[in-house]
Amino acid sequence: VQLVESGGGLVQPGGSLRLSCSASGFIFSDYAMDWVRQAPGKGLEYVSGISGDGGGTSCADSVKGRFTISRDNSNNTLSLQMSSLRADDTAVYYCVRGPYSNYDYWGQGTLVTVSS
Amino acid sequence: QSVLTQPPSVSAAPGQKVTISCSGSSSNIENKYVSWYQQLPGTAPKLLIYENNRRPSGIPDRFSGSKSGTSATLGITGLQTGDEADYYCGTWDSSLSVVVFGGGTKLTVL
Repeated sequence: VQLVESGGGLVQPGGSLRLSCSASGFIFSDYAMDWVRQAPGKGLEYVSGISGDGGGTSCADSVKGRFTISRDNSNNTLSLQMSSLRADDTAVYYCVRGPYSNYDYWGQGTLVTVSS
Repeated sequence: QSVLTQPPSVSAAPGQKVTISCSGSSSNIENKYVSWYQQLPGTAPKLLIYENNRRPSGIPDRFSGSKSGTSATLGITGLQTGDEADYYCGTWDSSLSVVVFGGGTKLTVL
């Protein structure tokens, strides 16, 4: 099993960014997938999750209306579209295999820095 | 502040045992499975315990989990210097409809 995130970087406040996670080594559509983030020096924070078939999603109140999770089961890819980014969105974003809090595999993380 | 409450730090000597508590409520820990994660410095978290007390393959039996009511506990026996890390509990919260984590506990092996 391998999860590889990409798309992180430096973005100005109010800007947008799209994160991707390429999955391999398992039947992608069989698993719910989530995004979890960790601000510098802080703890873990759930961001958003999506069911295996993509029909169900959830997200934290802190990102509701700004972040959208999606998946492409034909290409084994999980995505997180982030808009109206704020300084407090600065964090390492991890792609994780679910469901719920049974996160048995984590990606290496991709750093998103929101700063002018 | 985090929905789940963990002590900020714990410490013990090599070879000793330590426990880390995780306190929640009826909307999360009491009625949902709890997981525990270990995060070594500079690395992604790793699953240590799932479904309250089950260990993934490769996790030594020095690590154990338990749950009672609205609290869960991670136990680590035979402490090693390599166990120095941050430990997090996590579970689903049925009221918030999101995964919630504890604030993390830093383990120091003296």
